[in-house]
Amino acid sequence: DAKTTQPPSMDCAEGRAANLPCNHSTISGNEYVYWYRQIHSQGPQYIIHGLKNNETNEMASLIITEDRKSSTLILPHATLRDTAVYYCIAQDGNTPLVFGKGTRLSVIA
Amino acid sequence: GAGVSQTPSNKVTEKGKYVELRCDPISGHTALYWYRQSLGQGPEFLIYFQGTGAADDSGLPNDRFFAVRPEGSVSTLKIQRTERGDSAVYLCASSLQAGSGMREQFFGPGTRLTVL
Repeated sequence: DAKTTQPPSMDCAEGRAANLPCNHSTISGNEYVYWYRQIHSQGPQYIIHGLKNNETNEMASLIITEDRKSSTLILPHATLRDTAVYYCIAQDGNTPLVFGKGTRLSVIA
Repeated sequence: GAGVSQTPSNKVTEKGKYVELRCDPISGHTALYWYRQSLGQGPEFLIYFQGTGAADDSGLPNDRFFAVRPEGSVSTLKIQRTERGDSAVYLCASSLQAGSGMREQFFGPGTRLTVL
């Protein structure tokens, strides 16, 4: 079973920030938080990962709480192309990814 | 550069037949993963290779499923005596290496298998 819980769906207005929450209350000390997304009819795509510190790249920002029990993926200016299922995964680097059902983000014009 | 490619993109077969699904990973990636995804679900791990050997095959559902990677590059997922429940999208991913630390996985577009 997935070690993370996410809301099944969210809407976001185009141009606004999309904030996707994830709970991982049982995460262990050596496990990273990964985010992948899957656009319709494509394979999953890596977005970002983090261990303890907040991270930012060209796609998104990842905010991890101090106790590491939850995190938020932020897409700063959502576009229609960001409509996808977003998966939050907690695991160490030695094991294959365990996907849950993710959050279906709909960006609305 | 070229990403992960999978062939065929679609495969329709009849119950009881044998099928092979092919994955070409990114050149130089030593780790290769197979997942399958049913409608409305996230991808489910099947097997992963480190080089030529299967490092973890705990996700294979039964002995009708088998995968090989004889030269440490291309991999073939083989399904014998297909059943309607095998219908799904089969995804392949590769990464630079398995082992400690985070290794981003790059996914192919998948093969949609339909068993009639």
